[in-house]
Order: sequence, then C-alpha cells, then structure tokens
Amino acid sequence: DTAVSQTPKYLVTQMGNDKSIKCEQNLGHDTMYWYKQDSKKFLKIMFSYNNKELIINETVPNRFSPKSPDKAHLNLHINSLELGDSAVYFCASTEGSGRANEQFFGPGTRLTVL
Amino acid sequence: GENVEQHPSTLSVQEGDSAVIKCTYSDSASNYFPWYKQELGKRPQLIIDIRSNVGEKKDQRIAVTLNKTAKHFSLHITETQPEDSAVYFCAASKSNFGNEKLTFGTGTRLTIIP
Repeated sequence: DTAVSQTPKYLVTQMGNDKSIKCEQNLGHDTMYWYKQDSKKFLKIMFSYNNKELIINETVPNRFSPKSPDKAHLNLHINSLELGDSAVYFCASTEGSGRANEQFFGPGTRLTVL
Repeated sequence: GENVEQHPSTLSVQEGDSAVIKCTYSDSASNYFPWYKQELGKRPQLIIDIRSNVGEKKDQRIAVTLNKTAKHFSLHITETQPEDSAVYFCAASKSNFGNEKLTFGTGTRLTIIP
C-alpha cells in the first residue's frame, strides 16, 4: 500500500550514459513533481505535471525529459549524464485541486555518475 | 519568484530542551507553510503545516507560528527527544489552480544530545 514509489532506489552509471527513473502514486492525486536534492541537502523543484500536462519546468537542462503517461505515473529520462547530475531525485505528488496541500514524497533514487 | 530563507543551518540541543527553527519568505501571496522532517537516507515527511488564515498551530510537542506581516514562520519543538534528530525543511506555497509549487528553505540539521 505504498503511496508514492520510485524505481530504482540506487543508480550507478558512467558519464555520457542515458538513464530513466520511474515514479508511481496510488493516491489519486492530479499533480506530480520531480525534485533534486544535492549533497548539501538543498531540495529544488525540477518539474511538475498536472493531469499529464507539464506545468512547471524550472530551467532544467533539456537533457532531462519528464514523461507522464497517465496521472499516476511520472518518469524522468536523463540523457548524456554528467558528474553534476549525481544527487538524490525525489518524486512527489499532491491533490492538485487548486489549493496548496501536503506533498507526499517517494523514497528517492540515489543517482551516482562516475 | 518565492524565496525562503531558513536559520540556523545546524542546531544542537540537550535532550529535553526546546528547539526553534525560523524561516522568512518573500512572496506575500504565499498562503501555505509546511514543515518537513527528513531522517538520514529517508524521504521528507510532513510534520506540521499552517495556512495564512491561522497564526499558530500545535500538535503535541510541535508547534508552528506564522507572522504574515513580517513574512516569517517558526517551528518549535518542546521536550526534545533523540528521535527528533533529523534535517528539518520549511517551505512556502500558494494556491494556484494545479500549479502549486513548494519553495523549500535550505534545511536545519537538528541534533539532540542525550
């Protein structure tokens, strides 16, 4: 009965590779997000989707491409990985009803680029 | 856009004492202020939140106060226990028709000394 799940939990890869992270929520929420948490623990929003539509794109390099096949899933594909992409990536979801509410976070994906 | 500042960045208190973390925000339209706790290697989880129509909210040992005029809000933890050790994040958001975005503070690493 996990609310927000992500796969994989750990991802170790070489520079220049392409990788994907998947996220699913079973809360019936309309809005989903990707956050990046760097080594200093700063949590920064990358993208948000509301009902499969891209709403927020926070000046993220276009090597990062989110995809939402339906409102319960939000995947993140990263091309040509760089050392600076190493971080923990969190997916989150919220009701998206128009009123700011609690965001529920997934367990995170620790990406290490060598 | 919204800017949230958080102080202190680290805080050590004796077990049983109180801890206070302070945040300021810049966007007067922000109306939702959650606090998240992140234990080592885990996901951020909501511990308490407050909306702009309320000045104070309490949940057992945790309380949050909001001063809209000064644009600052604070987290108070009383009778601290070792399990309170974690990184705490404040955040601010405003209702925006599915475009809600949480802007996080930079985090406070709280250590409870037994």
